[in-house]
Amino acid sequence: EVQLVESGGGLVQSGGSLRVSCAASGFTFSSHSINWVRQAPGKGLEWVSYISATGSSVYYADSVKGRFTISRDNAKNSLYLQMNSLRDEDTAVYYCARTVKYAFDMWGQGAMVTVSS
Amino acid sequence: QSALTQPASVSGSPGQSITISCTGTSGDIGTYNLVSWYQQHPGKAPKLMIYEVINRPSGVSNRFSGSKSGNTASLTISGLQAEDEAHYYCCSYAGTYNWVFGGGTKLTVL
Repeated sequence: EVQLVESGGGLVQSGGSLRVSCAASGFTFSSHSINWVRQAPGKGLEWVSYISATGSSVYYADSVKGRFTISRDNAKNSLYLQMNSLRDEDTAVYYCARTVKYAFDMWGQGAMVTVSS
Repeated sequence: QSALTQPASVSGSPGQSITISCTGTSGDIGTYNLVSWYQQHPGKAPKLMIYEVINRPSGVSNRFSGSKSGNTASLTISGLQAEDEAHYYCCSYAGTYNWVFGGGTKLTVL
């Protein structure tokens, strides 16, 4: 089955760190760029970060730049988001989403990250 | 990057057509023909409905169509059905591998 599955969400204190993961299956993971998109409770979608197919290029939204790091392991068909210096406003469901023709054609089910002060 | 502007809500009766607008700037929608639209039902992940302004992925009903004029993109849903009731989000590529989403529109099928 073609899918993306996030894991690693949870509750963390403000200022703390957390890593969320995304496992891909059913397609050639190493051929696709992947993104993280988040959604705060009751709010809209916000693009967070992009990584190219090889991992050589990464980009971030201004809201997370310097605090979050995106990476991937193509041998393990896995994507990661290391989140440091977490703030209350980072509380959200974090989705991994595959890029095709500058759109997000496949999404995972999401991982909930709650930052508590 | 500021969020794209969408109406908070729209509604229509079964069988009718509705249009959701999405207004951006010359730095995103106005420059790139890379607008996409997503449908999201409560508690579910978003689903791609339109990409590159006008294109539908395989499996998406032809009742969904997209367009763009200047800095504004639009999603039209014809022949409204109860299952179309959901939130809809527009998204535009904004250059240098950055994307910006709209605030979302809640569609109610009366």
